[in-house]
Amino acid sequence: AQKVTQAQTEISVVEKEDVTLDCVYETRDTTYYLFWYKQPPSGELVFLIRRNSFDEQNEISGRYSWNFQKSTSSFNFTITASQVVDSAVYFCALSHNSGNTPLVFGKGTRLSVIA
Amino acid sequence: NAGVTQTPKFRILKIGQSMTLQCTQDMNHNYMYWYRQDPGMGLKLIYYSVGAGITDKGEVPNGYNVSRSTTEDFPLRLELAAPSQTSVYFCASRNRDRDNSPLHFGNGTRLTVT
Repeated sequence: AQKVTQAQTEISVVEKEDVTLDCVYETRDTTYYLFWYKQPPSGELVFLIRRNSFDEQNEISGRYSWNFQKSTSSFNFTITASQVVDSAVYFCALSHNSGNTPLVFGKGTRLSVIA
Repeated sequence: NAGVTQTPKFRILKIGQSMTLQCTQDMNHNYMYWYRQDPGMGLKLIYYSVGAGITDKGEVPNGYNVSRSTTEDFPLRLELAAPSQTSVYFCASRNRDRDNSPLHFGNGTRLTVT
């Protein structure tokens, strides 16, 4: 069975602080994919990143970075110098390699960035 | 391209009423999904389809039905609405490829059953 745990239900930070959102996953598959999605207050779901299980390199995109560690089954997301526009619910998700496998989502972390 | 389009955006139903949530995509994606989002609970899969004529149950299928007669459309049917079906419903699609492409989501339908 696949499972994604986002233990942080809500986080509040002051603007310009760095913040890390945790994601821990469970799977028996050797090949799988991990995702992060952002849901701003307007409600739509925005894709942020996809990572496959064979690529453990960390990734940086502007103020966003992702740390994938298979040894701890974690795929954490860090926002550097947070901004009010980063306020949203962030979801981590997992699927295995079979093409038709739906994504399994964590419960999400609500991030509030206070000016 | 419009992407994934869901209608209606909002709906209020009385207990026992039925309705169909519409979802259509213009990206020629094979895979389509219906998720529901309850506060603090993330997204839970209701039904999914890997192509026209093929549907499968997800984690929470009870009280819902789907059909997939065309590649573009994947409607979700509620036959006897119950308060427990009050939720935000998201339709999503993705391409069939080897690298598990990301989901494209519609903007959601907010349903209230009273």
